Amino acid sequence: GEDVEQSLFLSVREGDSSVINCTYTDSSSTYLYWYKQEPGAGLQLLTYIFSNMDMKQDQRLTVLLNKKDKHLSLRIADTQTGDSAIYFCAESGYSSASKIIFGSGTRLSIRP
Amino acid sequence: DTGVSQDPRHKITKRGQNVTFRCDPISEHNRLYWYRQTLGQGPEFLTYFQNEAQLEKSRLLSDRFSAERPKGSFSTLEIQRTEQGDSAMYLCASSLSNRTLYGYTFGSGTRLTVV
Repeated sequence: GEDVEQSLFLSVREGDSSVINCTYTDSSSTYLYWYKQEPGAGLQLLTYIFSNMDMKQDQRLTVLLNKKDKHLSLRIADTQTGDSAIYFCAESGYSSASKIIFGSGTRLSIRP
Repeated sequence: DTGVSQDPRHKITKRGQNVTFRCDPISEHNRLYWYRQTLGQGPEFLTYFQNEAQLEKSRLLSDRFSAERPKGSFSTLEIQRTEQGDSAMYLCASSLSNRTLYGYTFGSGTRLTVV
């Protein structure tokens, strides 16, 4: 079955870059996503990448995809206190049909 | 349109009671999804609808759970004879079927506490 794994915690200093990593098992994954969840809120789609791409940049966010290793990363440049949240890696593909499969999330905390 | 709305935001119920949650998707979205999120975990898929048809149900959705989308607009999720293990955040999301792979729009969720 499909599985998405992430490390649970990441702590970075304000102004530094944050890199959140994710691995997935479904080789038929077509789209990969990063969602952000702030306390008490639903999930906000940050960005997505198609499996035929290896990089996507959107302002402070850079997504890297290594399809061979089934590894996805999210880099947040110049991390700010407002970036404190849980970040979920997710995938969707032929094995999962129409549903998006989420990882357990990485809690990002920012040190002053 | 203000996005996906869920009601109530919080629900506390006694074990054994029935509860019902409502989700109003973005109006032009024909797909609607229900997910469950427990503390420290990512959302787990429960079920989804395309228009009024329920197309897939997870094994997580026991026979105490039922979901409906009678007119292809809002949806309800009912849990009968609640158990403490049902305590979770129940998230609703919607999308257009031809843009589903671009990601869903989630509501803020209904937090259920069974005491």
